[in-house]
Amino acid sequence: QKEVEQNSGPLSVPEGAIASLNCTYSDRGSQSFFWYRQYSGKSPELIMSIYSNGDKEDGRFTAQLNKASQYVSLLIRDSQPSDSATYLCAQRGNAGKSTFGDGTTLTVKP
Amino acid sequence: GAGVSQSPSNKVTEKGKDVELRCDPISGHTALYWYRQSLGQGLEFLIYFQGNSAPDKSGLPSDRFSAERTGGSVSTLTIQRTQQEDSAVYLCASSLGPGDEQYFGPGTRLTVT
Repeated sequence: QKEVEQNSGPLSVPEGAIASLNCTYSDRGSQSFFWYRQYSGKSPELIMSIYSNGDKEDGRFTAQLNKASQYVSLLIRDSQPSDSATYLCAQRGNAGKSTFGDGTTLTVKP
Repeated sequence: GAGVSQSPSNKVTEKGKDVELRCDPISGHTALYWYRQSLGQGLEFLIYFQGNSAPDKSGLPSDRFSAERTGGSVSTLTIQRTQQEDSAVYLCASSLGPGDEQYFGPGTRLTVT
């Protein structure tokens, strides 16, 4: 079992819809979780970090963490074609090293 | 402020040659990470430096790969006797402390012919 699992997709949503990206993790002791966005041919860029159970909102993005279910999600409201990218979930592991999922590819269709 | 920088941006080398890839982290960041990403694949962890501690080398794929970080700042990833399967984008990231948000450099695209 991978430490961080994501659906590879592709996930396709129409412009203006809500995109929901999901991630599960195996390390129950993990305290920090991150979402990164990676455009094709570019390096990953940080979107959100979340450390506590519940929701964290930043503009059109909402991260949700459920430690009991070992589940992290990212919601993108009012999806735009510019949101089309691969989204990487990561968890902080022991001694500071983070483990990344393989990413979910999102396509927002105009 | 300046972000993470990497050089060269592209490197083409012949099979069997040695290559050095450089990473300049964000000033003040104590943690530095190297990853490899093959086309269409996820991030493969290679090595992690934190302050003056011994690096976590658990992701290095073979003894042809090594890395050092001088003065707690600049890092060099060295690949000896390159093979075609080493072709990938090599990404460097830094974070303020262990486990904090990572900020990635633009990557070095390595092609071994």
